Parts: sequence; structure tokens; C-alpha cells
Amino acid sequence: NAGVTQTPKFRVLKTGQSMTLLCAQDMNHEYMYWYRQDPGMGLRLIHYSVGEGTTAKGEVPDGYNVSRLKKQNFLLGLESAAPSQTSVYFCASSSAPYEQYFGPGTRLTVT
Amino acid sequence: RKEVEQDPGPFNVPEGATVAFNCTYSNSASQSFFWYRQDCRKEPKLLMSVYSSGNEDGRFTAQLNRASQYISLLIRDSKLSDSATYLCVVNHQGSARQLTFGSGTQLTVLP
Repeated sequence: NAGVTQTPKFRVLKTGQSMTLLCAQDMNHEYMYWYRQDPGMGLRLIHYSVGEGTTAKGEVPDGYNVSRLKKQNFLLGLESAAPSQTSVYFCASSSAPYEQYFGPGTRLTVT
Repeated sequence: RKEVEQDPGPFNVPEGATVAFNCTYSNSASQSFFWYRQDCRKEPKLLMSVYSSGNEDGRFTAQLNRASQYISLLIRDSKLSDSATYLCVVNHQGSARQLTFGSGTQLTVLP
């Protein structure tokens, strides 16, 4: 099993550009999450999904959109990237109560 | 005030030492508690859950004090491979299995 995979691993964007981060899980988990991790801030929840076709806002949703058209995939979109969105983005999924499995992360730099 | 607060460290200890990390949380309605481990430039992984009665997993012991809203992790007989950042994690939403992460305590075990 691959577990949770994320694409791409690294990306550099210019301010104003858009991009989509893809998360895929092969564990048949209902719940999926997008976090960002910044130095000294810990992981912060951006958006999450409790099942196919559903999404909800987390702690820091502004500037991001998500979609979950298929159970195994959770997409995170940045419509107009800003330098403040420079971060490491982690996707996670869960089925067992509260144990979340994380992907390897995407390192995004916005210049 | 952060919802979950940890001493960022770094803690530098010799092999074989015992080291303890503390964490406080602000929401008295918090229900579930965990320690995650994150290696440098890697994703977080669940280390152990924390139960009210305290629990042990090999060299690791976790304690919870609900009255003081305080969680601890004790590592005995430290190994070089224990070097990582330890994240204190709390669930207080009670739904969608949302987790709130502390910013982590960095541990380096020295030979």
C-alpha cells in the first residue's frame, strides 16, 4: 500500500499564479484533511472532508479551495498565490478515531 | 494564547538519559490527547494516545492531568533514533476527528 501520497513534492510559484495540490489515499478512509506547517506555528488545519462530495473549512481556509469528487482524492487549490502561502502542506486521512495518516508533504514557495 | 502550548526546546540529551516533555492545553472541553512524532523534513506520525490513567509503550510513558490541563511524555533510556520533534495533539471539537497540534518540542539525543 502506498498510504497517502501528495503531488507535487516541491513547487515554486510567482505571486498571483494558481496551482492545485493533489492528495491520494488508498486506505479507503472517509476523512481527509489539508494542513499547513510553518515554523513555530505547528500544523494548522486549512480544510477537511468527512466523505466524498463534502468539504468544510478549518482554522485557516482563506485563499484556498478544496474538492473531493472521489473518495480517494482530496485536492487543494490556490487561485492567486501570495507570499504568505509559502509553507509546507500536508494531507492526511483517517478512519480509526483520531489516528491520522499523513502524506510526505509539499514544499511550496511563493515569490 | 495558543490552544496547545509546548516548550519548543531544543532538548539535547545524552544516550541513555531520561527526558520529559510537557504540554498544556487551553480548552477544558478537550476530549482526546495524543503524542505525534515528526522527523526532520518528514510527515508527523502517531506515537501514542494519552489516557486519563496514564499509559506506557515500551520506553515511552504518557500522562494526562485534566484538572491542570497538562499532558506529559517521558522517554527513558533515550536512543539516537529518538531524535525528532514531538507534537502534542488535542481533540476538542468532538466531530470530524479534528486535531489541534502544538508547535512541537525538538529532541536531539547525543552519542
